Amino acid sequence: SQTIHQWPATLVQPVGSPLSLECTVEGTSNPNLYWYRQAAGRGLQLLFYSVGIGQISSEVPQNLSASRPQDRQFILSSKKLLLSDSGFYLCAWSGATVANTEAFFGQGTRLTVV
Amino acid sequence: AQTVTQSQPEMSVQEAETVTLSCTYDTSESNYYLFWYKQPPSRQMILVIRQEAYKQQNATENRFSVNFQKAAKSFSLKISDSQLGDTAMYFCAFGGGSNYKLTFGKGTLLTVNP
Repeated sequence: SQTIHQWPATLVQPVGSPLSLECTVEGTSNPNLYWYRQAAGRGLQLLFYSVGIGQISSEVPQNLSASRPQDRQFILSSKKLLLSDSGFYLCAWSGATVANTEAFFGQGTRLTVV
Repeated sequence: AQTVTQSQPEMSVQEAETVTLSCTYDTSESNYYLFWYKQPPSRQMILVIRQEAYKQQNATENRFSVNFQKAAKSFSLKISDSQLGDTAMYFCAFGGGSNYKLTFGKGTLLTVNP
């Protein structure tokens, strides 16, 4: 069965420090991978989307970047965090066919930039 | 590009009553899937129901059912016999199109009152 792992669950980082959030998927190959950010009580903001290794689509300009060094690994990074980067970050995967577009989500990372 | 619109940012309902959440979408695709996801206060995303565009019969999962109007591009979620545990953010999502990317609406915050 497929599983998705996202870590860490919570993170408190000072302004100006780097960030690395990791997400890995097991039990499937060539998934579509997503990074979302969610403010408290708000909707999902799609940050990055990837259809394959090294293929990253950025949905909004921001202080963050994403990489996909392996088929089932998706990393969200920042060189210097801003206060506005605080939020709840969700990683998700979906299949690469129309019949497999259902998304499966990680547990999320609550990031607080202080 | 596909778009998904949820026009009700917040809704409330009394316990045991019925509530309908609205969702409209825009696409030129003929084959796609539609989904409703639930995000309770734990923030874990849970799939509630899915509908294939080629199926005319509306999907049903226990107390949850959809009204899928393909020509009108409408996909509403009906929750019958609302329970306190239904209190959550509900997201409508479209799966299909280029690379079968998943597109989410902004969400509707549903509160079930005792």
